[in-house]
Amino acid sequence: AQSVSQHNHHVILSEAASLELGCNYSYGGTVNLFWYVQYPGQHLQLLLKYFSGDPLVKGIKGFEAEFIKSKFSFNLRKPSVQWSDTAEYFCAVKDGGYQKVTFGTGTKLQVIP
Amino acid sequence: GAGVSQSPSNKVTEKGKDVELRCDPISGHTALYWYRQSLGQGLEFLIYFQGNSAPDKSGLPSDRFSAERTGGSVSTLTIQRTQQEDSAVYLCASSPPTHYYGYTFGSGTRLTVV
Repeated sequence: AQSVSQHNHHVILSEAASLELGCNYSYGGTVNLFWYVQYPGQHLQLLLKYFSGDPLVKGIKGFEAEFIKSKFSFNLRKPSVQWSDTAEYFCAVKDGGYQKVTFGTGTKLQVIP
Repeated sequence: GAGVSQSPSNKVTEKGKDVELRCDPISGHTALYWYRQSLGQGLEFLIYFQGNSAPDKSGLPSDRFSAERTGGSVSTLTIQRTQQEDSAVYLCASSPPTHYYGYTFGSGTRLTVV
């Protein structure tokens, strides 16, 4: 069964610092990859996704993620975080041919002004 | 509707009682999912419905949990004889068949079993 690991459970950064959140998955076949974000008091929403093509994908609010197939990774990055990026971030993987999406345990990001 | 609607938003129940949680997906979304979000556990898949196909129930943690989807739209998740470990936020999501745009999540039902 697919599993998704997010190694950082809680990250604290100052504004303007760079961000990289790790995500690794276990299944080696065709996958679709997602990052979701949950802002305080709000529901989960899609940040970005990878289906095929360029492994560097850009999402909303300046976020990007790079799919490295050889490393089973899909790390999320942002060059300069803002206080408004304070949220919980979830990596998710969908195995090709299946509809179920497996989520990681989430990373809480706290940005200090 | 404009989004995925879940009710109730909060539910407190006594141990041993049955509860029903409701999800109203986005109109036209054929796929509907239930997940459970517990503190520090991430999102745990429970069940998946796609159109008229048999649901994928592989994530239901015990036979106390069941779900149905009537008319390909509204879904109800039922937990019988609730236990304290059932306390969590139950999330519903829907998507078009292709999944290309990801899930649209509801705001969840926070269930507390006392």
